[in-house]
Amino acid sequence: GAVVSQHPSWVICKSGTSVKIECRSLDFQATTMFWYRQFPKQSLMLMATSNEGSKATYEQGVEKDKFLINHASLTLSTLTVTSAHPEDSSFYICSARLAGGLAANEQFFGPGTRLTVL
Amino acid sequence: AQSVTQPDIHITVSEGASLELRCNYSYGATPYLFWYVQSPGQGLQLLLKYFSGDTLVQGIKGFEAEFKRSQSSFNLRKPSVHWSDAAEYFCAVGATSYDKVIFGPGTSLSVIP
Repeated sequence: GAVVSQHPSWVICKSGTSVKIECRSLDFQATTMFWYRQFPKQSLMLMATSNEGSKATYEQGVEKDKFLINHASLTLSTLTVTSAHPEDSSFYICSARLAGGLAANEQFFGPGTRLTVL
Repeated sequence: AQSVTQPDIHITVSEGASLELRCNYSYGATPYLFWYVQSPGQGLQLLLKYFSGDTLVQGIKGFEAEFKRSQSSFNLRKPSVHWSDAAEYFCAVGATSYDKVIFGPGTSLSVIP
């Protein structure tokens, strides 16, 4: 099946620093990747939609200058949390969508990245 | 805009008992519907999906779901629950084949041995 990886799986950083999270589709090309945020015991909240070669589309209320998304290739998208603060601590999950075909709306999820900001 | 509700925050069932997790959606046309499972420390796994056709959909791990347009529902069922099914279950809806997917709040399933 389609596999999506995330790196790192967990990260602890100091307040004010920036953290980059990578999302890779390992065995398929993904023209679209999504970034979600999940607080404990809560659902996934879509942060942004990332299309290869173009600017990401952010959901209402998500600061695009704080959460920088780059989708430079068909297999890699990155999320950079700039000037992180404790309230940014969360579980960040990416997903990748197969390009075309009947499964065009099926997303394959990465295992998530646990970010803790001290 | 589409939305998803899962009325049950937490459900506890005995191992071997049947299971039904409820999902209701709000969308004007026929939506794309999904059920995902999230186990502790693991990523989301797709159990099944509905795009069109037969309204009873079979998925992995013995799960099935039925799309009922009249009730705007897509309930997940399993005839006999195993202890390993304890996890968080999310229903999700998308408007078109290339639209974003919106997740419901989730239902936490506990299984009593």
